[in-house]
Amino acid sequence: NAGVMQNPRHLVRRRGQEARLRCSPMKGHSHVYWYRQLPEEGLKFMVYLQKENIIDESGMPKERFSAEFPKEGPSILRIQQVVRGDSAAYFCASSLQSDGGYGYTFGSGTRLTVV
Amino acid sequence: KQEVTQIPAALSVPEGENLVLNCSFTDSAIYNLQWFRQDPGKGLTSLLLIQSSQREQTSGRLNASLDKSSGRSTLYIAASQPGDSATYLCAVLQYNNNDMRFGAGTRLTVKP
Repeated sequence: NAGVMQNPRHLVRRRGQEARLRCSPMKGHSHVYWYRQLPEEGLKFMVYLQKENIIDESGMPKERFSAEFPKEGPSILRIQQVVRGDSAAYFCASSLQSDGGYGYTFGSGTRLTVV
Repeated sequence: KQEVTQIPAALSVPEGENLVLNCSFTDSAIYNLQWFRQDPGKGLTSLLLIQSSQREQTSGRLNASLDKSSGRSTLYIAASQPGDSATYLCAVLQYNNNDMRFGAGTRLTVKP
């Protein structure tokens, strides 16, 4: 069981470019969560998705950020027109149950640097 | 709104010492509480998961307790080793809420 796979591990983008972060959940998990960790800050919830559905996006910035979890393939977190303030570590987690009863399993994260 | 606090923010101990990390949360109506370990520049590794109906969980040298009514959890590490050096994060999940709330973490350094 490969766990939660995120790629790339590191991503450098110039201001104004697009960043695409990918997450493959653990085998058997159909619930995916994205979190952001800003330097010297705690993890903040962004969005919760199931296959082909966004369930809760209450933590997503209103502009430039979007997420999807298609029927086939990984979940994608997309950041358009990146700015320096988007530099952070982005973590994906997956769970077996919708209520997280067995806990969340996290990936190793994607570290985005905007230059 | 759930707030999770971890004390202390940083802790440095000599090897072999037993230690306790503290986590408190403001809303006691939680579904479960999870302790994670994060090494610098790495992801989160789940250590222990405590359901709301449980009082404690143990794994090797780690023991986590939960007192829901007082809004507290502790992570006890026995016979600490330099390899235990990392940031320890406490997170709570509430019923009907997908937003797992994290504390800011305790940065532990175990000196050889």
